[in-house]
Amino acid sequence: AQSVTQLDSQVPVFEEAPVELRCNYSSSVSVYLFWYVQYPNQGLQLLLKYLSGSTLVESINGFEAEFNKSQTSFHLRKPSVHISDTAEYFCAVGYFGNEKLTFGTGTRLTIIP
Amino acid sequence: NAGVTQTPKFQVLKTGQSMTLQCAQDMNHEYMSWYRQDPGMGLRLIHYSVGAGITDQGEVPNGYNVSRSTTEDFPLRLLSAAPSQTSVYFCASSQSGTSGADTQYFGPGTRLTVL
Repeated sequence: AQSVTQLDSQVPVFEEAPVELRCNYSSSVSVYLFWYVQYPNQGLQLLLKYLSGSTLVESINGFEAEFNKSQTSFHLRKPSVHISDTAEYFCAVGYFGNEKLTFGTGTRLTIIP
Repeated sequence: NAGVTQTPKFQVLKTGQSMTLQCAQDMNHEYMSWYRQDPGMGLRLIHYSVGAGITDQGEVPNGYNVSRSTTEDFPLRLLSAAPSQTSVYFCASSQSGTSGADTQYFGPGTRLTVL
């Protein structure tokens, strides 16, 4: 069985400061890893995903995440956040042959002006 | 493309009432699913479907029914609403039912309150 842990339920960050949102997973098989973002009063949308190959994946709005197999982590980072990044971020894990995703409990990112 | 649409956006029910949450997608996706989102618990899978005529249970299926008669539609039925079913419900779809790597596309959600 798979599980996803997001230890930080809330992360306040000053505008233009860097941020890291942590995600750890457990699985007995090879996994696919996802970060989804939920802006206020909206559904979730994909931010980035790791399937294979380069362990560093990037999104179009400056976020990046690094797959670390030895530490079973997939932390999300951004070097300089903006007010528009205020949202809840969900880490999710899936695996080959099965479309079901297991989601973490989410991290609410609050940007302080 | 409208993507994934859900109706209604908001609903208030009394305990014991039944209702159907509608979900439709226009992307010809094989996989569709229903999640509920509760504070501090993330998203939990209720039911899912890998194609028309095929449905299966997720993590929290009790009290809910689904059917998939067409590729486009995947309604979620609450048989006898209970206060524990107060939640935000999201429908999602993805292209394949067997890849595991596909992006899931989410609807805007239905906020349900059961009194």
